[in-house]
Amino acid sequence: GAVVSQHPSRVICKSGTSVKIECRSLDFQATTMFWYRQFPKKSLMLMATSNEGSKATYEQGVEKDKFLINHASLTLSTLTVTSAHPEDSSFYICSAGGGGASSYNEQFFGPGTRLTVL
Amino acid sequence: ELKVEQNPLFLSMQEGKNYTIYCNYSTTSDRLYWYRQDPGKSLESLFVLLSNGAVKQEGRLMASLDTKARLSTLHITAAVHDLSATYFCAVGAGTALIFGKGTTLSVSS
Repeated sequence: GAVVSQHPSRVICKSGTSVKIECRSLDFQATTMFWYRQFPKKSLMLMATSNEGSKATYEQGVEKDKFLINHASLTLSTLTVTSAHPEDSSFYICSAGGGGASSYNEQFFGPGTRLTVL
Repeated sequence: ELKVEQNPLFLSMQEGKNYTIYCNYSTTSDRLYWYRQDPGKSLESLFVLLSNGAVKQEGRLMASLDTKARLSTLHITAAVHDLSATYFCAVGAGTALIFGKGTTLSVSS
């Protein structure tokens, strides 16, 4: 199956700093990438959908100025959490789809990034 | 707006017994997925169900889809400890996926 990587896997930062998380599709070109957030023992919440070369579409309630998403190439999307605060601490998971990796809109999930804001 | 409901949310299973997780969704969709998540890990794809009556099996897990009832089931046969995890169903909505709340399974001997 298609492989998606995320970096870093774990990050601890101070309140007020910005953190960038990378999501890469390693063996296919992802026309669409998705960013999810998961709180402990909760489900995945879709934050935004990004298509290569265009602006991300954010879900209702997600601050686009706080969670900056860039999908500059068919293999890389980045999520930048700006001016992070402790309430932004969460598990962030990206997924990638399109590009012929699947014939039925399947998304391939990255391993996740655990963000802790002190 | 598509809503996905899973039940039960928690399931304490005895080794060797059979159990079923249910996933209901509110509007028509062309695909449904089941995922497994271990603590601290990301999602592992288990099944993709695309058509009414679809049934897929892998080991002790079997998933089925009834698009008319908007219901999918994940059946566990003869539970073993290795199956302890959280299981999510997710329903396609355009290119996006809407997830259920997840069912946490715990298997004890």
